[in-house]
Amino acid sequence: DAKTTQPPSMDCAEGRAANLPCNHSTISGNEYVYWYRQIHSQGPQYIIHGLKNNETNEMASLIITEDRKSSTLILPHATLRDTAVYYCIVRPEIQGAQKLVFGQGTRLTINP
Amino acid sequence: KAGVTQTPRYLIKTRGQQVTLSCSPISGHRSVSWYQQTPGQGLQFLFEYFSETQRNKGNFPGRFSGRQFSNSRSEMNVSTLELGDSALYLCASSLGAGSNTGELFFGEGSRLTVL
Repeated sequence: DAKTTQPPSMDCAEGRAANLPCNHSTISGNEYVYWYRQIHSQGPQYIIHGLKNNETNEMASLIITEDRKSSTLILPHATLRDTAVYYCIVRPEIQGAQKLVFGQGTRLTINP
Repeated sequence: KAGVTQTPRYLIKTRGQQVTLSCSPISGHRSVSWYQQTPGQGLQFLFEYFSETQRNKGNFPGRFSGRQFSNSRSEMNVSTLELGDSALYLCASSLGAGSNTGELFFGEGSRLTVL
């Protein structure tokens, strides 16, 4: 079972920051937070991951609370192409393991 | 660099038949995993292969099987197809070792319809 809770849907205006929350109150000390997204009819795409520090890459920023029980994915300037289902996943950094447990995710709609 | 390639992209089968799906990982990637996506159950892990060995398996019946070849290409097979096997089957690849093992690269999937 997925260990995360996300809102089923969100809307955001084009050009604004999209902030997607994720609750993972039972996260263990060795578990990372991963974010993926799935654009309609495509395979999931890796976005970002982190353990306890905030992370930023060319796609997004990840803010993890100090107690690590929740996190927020931030798309700083959302575009129409960011419309997708966003999945928050927690998993341990097991050497070589590829198993991801997906929840239902958040369906993000970017409006013009 | 070419991405993960899955074939066929679409196929239609009837109940009782069997199907084989193919996946070519990104060059240099040694780990391949398979996922099933349905509207009701979402994305579910099927199995994972590394260096031709199954490393992990999800909670699916024995009708679902897979294998990996020495060139890291992988196939999955579903025998005695049921209507509920209609789904998008996704393949993902990764280096299989080292850090950031959760960064998987997915293909576009094979959409199977069972009639």
